[in-house]
Parts: sequence; C-alpha cells; structure tokens
Amino acid sequence: AQSVTQPDIHITVSEGASLELRCNYSYGATPYLFWYVQSPGQGLQLLLKYFSGDTLVQGIKGFEAEFKRSQSSFNLRKPSVHWSDAAEYFCAVGEGGSYIPTFGRGTSLIVHP
Amino acid sequence: NAGVTQTPKFQVLKTGQSMTLQCAQDMNHNSMYWYRQDPGMGLRLIYYSASEGTTDKGEVPNGYNVSRLNKREFSLRLESAAPSQTSVYFCASRAGQENTEAFFGQGTRLTVV
Repeated sequence: AQSVTQPDIHITVSEGASLELRCNYSYGATPYLFWYVQSPGQGLQLLLKYFSGDTLVQGIKGFEAEFKRSQSSFNLRKPSVHWSDAAEYFCAVGEGGSYIPTFGRGTSLIVHP
Repeated sequence: NAGVTQTPKFQVLKTGQSMTLQCAQDMNHNSMYWYRQDPGMGLRLIYYSASEGTTDKGEVPNGYNVSRLNKREFSLRLESAAPSQTSVYFCASRAGQENTEAFFGQGTRLTVV
C-alpha cells in the first residue's frame, strides 16, 4: 500500500528565510505526487503536482518541489518565506488507475517576523 | 465557480444522534471522497466513490455510511454519533482521469458531546 511520511510536525522559519519541507513516499511505480496547503479554518488548496517529465515542478505562490526517485522524496521549497505562508502543508501520493489520494500527517509552518 | 460545496460548516451533535453531511460538486467530476482530519493524523479516507453508482470503504469507514446520490452529490451519514467522531470532515472530488488532482470543500467541523 502506498504511504507518505512527513517527518517534521512543525517547522519554524524567519520571514525572508528559505524553506524546505520534507516528504517521503512508499510506492512501487512512479507515483503521482502533490503538495497542498491549508490555511486555518480552510480547505486544502493545491500548490503543485508531479505526474511525469521534468522532476522539478513549479507551483503557485513561489513554491517548487523536486521529485527524486532514488530517495523516494518530493520535498517542497521556497527561496524566501512570507508571513502569509504560515499554514499546514500536506504531501500526498496517488496511483494511476483507480487513484486514491493518500496524505501525510502534515507539517505546520510557523513564520517569525 | 463554486467547486466543492459542503453543508453544514459547523455542527454539534449529542451522542447517539444521527446526521448527514452533504457534498456537491459542479465540475462534472467522476470520483468523490470523504476524509476526516484529526490533529496529528493528517487526512484519513473514510469512503470514496470512483464513479456514479459505486462506493467503497477507505481506511476508517466504521460508524459511517455514504450515498452517491448522482454524479454531483456524495453524502456521508453518521447513524449514531460518538465522541470519537468529533473531527473536521472534508469532501473532495476528482475528474477521474489519471493525471488529475483532487479539489476540496471547505470542511465541516463536527463536535459530538
């Protein structure tokens, strides 16, 4: 069965600093990978997705993620964090065909001024 | 665009009461999902419907039932609510083709006392 691990429960960064959120997945074939963001009291919004092709994908709000098959990872990065980026971030994996999105437990991002 | 609409947004139930959470999408998506979100647990799949007329259990189906009323609507029913069902419930939909992501509603915050 597919699974997703987000090893960091909380990440604290200063505004303007760079950010990397980690995500590792377990799946036999090439997975479909996603990052979602959830602001307090809101639903989940897609930041970016990887299906195939270029392993570095660009998303909304200045985020990017890199798929590394050898490390089974799909880490999310942003070069300069803004206070408005404070939120919960979820990595998800899905398989082709029937596809059922499976989510990690989430990483809470705290941004200090 | 409405996207995925969930009702109600908030609900308080007494133990043993029943209720139905409603979800409707206007994107002509084939697949729909119900998740629950609990602190530190991420999103866990309760039930899903890969297409109109089909439903299947997810990771945590006990205590819930679902109905795929038509292509637009997918409801979640709690027959006899328990405090352990206190959670935030999210409905999501997906087009059904392989290279597509899930879209989420705003969530229903349910408290069972």
